[in-house]
This record gives sequence, C-alpha cells and structure tokens, in this order.
Amino acid sequence: DQQVKQNSPSLSVQEGRISILNCDYTNSMFDYFLWYKKYPAEGPTFLISISSIKDKNEDGRFTVFLNKSAKHLSLHIVPSQPGDSAVYFCAASDYGGATNKLIFGTGTLLAVQP
Amino acid sequence: DTGVSQDPRHKITKRGQNVTFRCDPISEHNRLYWYRQTLGQGPEFLTYFQNEAQLEKSRLLSDRFSAERPKGSFSTLEIQRTEQGDSAMYLCASTYRGGGAFFGQGTRLTVV
Repeated sequence: DQQVKQNSPSLSVQEGRISILNCDYTNSMFDYFLWYKKYPAEGPTFLISISSIKDKNEDGRFTVFLNKSAKHLSLHIVPSQPGDSAVYFCAASDYGGATNKLIFGTGTLLAVQP
Repeated sequence: DTGVSQDPRHKITKRGQNVTFRCDPISEHNRLYWYRQTLGQGPEFLTYFQNEAQLEKSRLLSDRFSAERPKGSFSTLEIQRTEQGDSAMYLCASTYRGGGAFFGQGTRLTVV
C-alpha cells in the first residue's frame, strides 16, 4: 500500500522555466511533509519542508504548497537551473508520532534542459 | 565535516556471507534511522533508534538483519547470510527532534 505517491516518474523542463513536481498521500495522520533531492550514488539531500498548519513554505527558488483537503502537495522550482537535474522524493511523517519515520514516494526524475 | 557518515560506500559480497555497515550520525542527534533503497523506489524505513534504544523495526527487517547503537552514538547494521535480494543502497539518517532527517551518502551493497 503506497501511502505517498509521485505519479510522474519523470519531468523535462527548459532552463529558466518553472518546474512543478507533485505528490499525493493517503494517510490522514501525516502532518509533516518534506522534499529531498537525490543524485545517483548519493544519499538524499533535504530541500524544504512544510507542516500541516501551513499551506505554503518558501526557501529561495523552492516553494512547497500543501492542500490538506486534497491530500496533495507540490514543489515549485523557479527559475529551474541545469544543476537542479536530479531525482526528487516527496516524504511524509506523523510528526507527533513516536518515531517520525519518513514514508517516501517513488521519486520524480527532473531534467532541466539548457 | 559534521554530516552523517557511512562506511563503507560500496560493498560487494558473495551470497551467504555476512556484512556489517557503520553509520556515524551528526553528533548532537539522538534519533537515528536506517532505510533501504532499491532501483526505482524511494527509501524504505528499516529501523529507528532513540539514543541507544531500538524502538521500531520494520517487517522488512528479517531475522538475518540486526542493528545496534551502543552508547547512543554510532550504529551498525549487520546482514547475515546475504541473499541477492539484499542488494540495495542502505541509508542512514539522523535528526534531533524529528522533522527533516539528514542522510548519509549510503552504502551500496551488491550480493553476487
């Protein structure tokens, strides 16, 4: 049972344009959401997070939007740069729970074309 | 470097052999996690330590897997009698109070 879903395996965007990566979740207990970026043969790198008490969080070129009623979040990257090319993972956790373990989606491969 | 450190980065072993991986978390982090990632999948939770106590184990962690975190500092993950299905990237992460976890660079295990 995939509790966190990233339905787009890949996305290609031109440099300078907006990249929008989407994520859906099914577990209502999730109240903290994160995006990670991963290069091949390396561990995931934390990008940005959002608590369920917010609907938007910004950090530089990265903005995460949360729609709790739809159980949907998205990551916007503006402007996209070739160095953003990587696999992006959405993750969710029950922040008030005992372990705060992360449940990951399957990832979206972003390719930013120069 | 004050990040999460994992050793070795790569391990090739023959089926049936035992392997052990080490993780050194960020020093002030009391929470430590192990995850496993296979091709085309996101990282999957294996086990969780708060200080030296192992508080949760996934059903993915069969009896051949054991993890320890003596003294609440570094952690080891041992796989006994390795199988080809154990081939994966093993990731360690740490955090202080939950929220965003910081990952190491992983150990790539190949069982031949």
